Amino acid sequence: GAVVSQHPSRVICKSGTSVKIECRSLDFQATTMFWYRQFPKKSLMLMATSNEGSKATYEQGVEKDKFLINHASLTLSTLTVTSAHPEDSSFYICSAKTGDSPLHFGNGTRLTVT
Amino acid sequence: KQEVTQIPAALSVPEGENLVLNCSFTDSAIYNLQWFRQDPGKGLTSLLLIQSSQREQTSGRLNASLDKSSGRSTLYIAASQPGDSATYLCAVKGDSGNTPLVFGKGTRLSVIA
Repeated sequence: GAVVSQHPSRVICKSGTSVKIECRSLDFQATTMFWYRQFPKKSLMLMATSNEGSKATYEQGVEKDKFLINHASLTLSTLTVTSAHPEDSSFYICSAKTGDSPLHFGNGTRLTVT
Repeated sequence: KQEVTQIPAALSVPEGENLVLNCSFTDSAIYNLQWFRQDPGKGLTSLLLIQSSQREQTSGRLNASLDKSSGRSTLYIAASQPGDSATYLCAVKGDSGNTPLVFGKGTRLSVIA
């Protein structure tokens, strides 16, 4: 089946630094990738939608200058949390699809900002 | 705007019991509905996908039903096992364009041995 690899699975960084999270589709070409964030005991919230080769579309309330998304190829999208703060600590999950196919999810990244 | 609600938020049952998880959504114009399982600190595992034209899907001990007109879905788990303990998420996809999934908050299930 289709596999989405997300890396790293866990990262701890200091406040003010930037962190990059990678999302790769291993055996299919992902024309669209979605980035979600999940706070404890809350549902997954969509942050942005990225289509290969074009700028990401951000959901209301998500700062595009803080959460930089790059989808430069059909198999890789990256989310960079810039100038991270403790309130950015969360579980970030990416998902990918091609055409009308079902979504395939990565295993998520637990970000802790100290 | 689509909203997805899952009831109950948490559920604890003894091993062997059959159980039902509920999901409701406000906009019936959906393309499909999915049930996912999430283990603590892990990503999502897709359990069942029901297209808008379907009424139910079954996989092993799991059965998901969809009543699109009333905006409801249920996930039935038969003969529950401790390994079923996880958070179960319901998500719907709208039927217009490249819409993403909208998730409920999940039901945290504990199956006690």
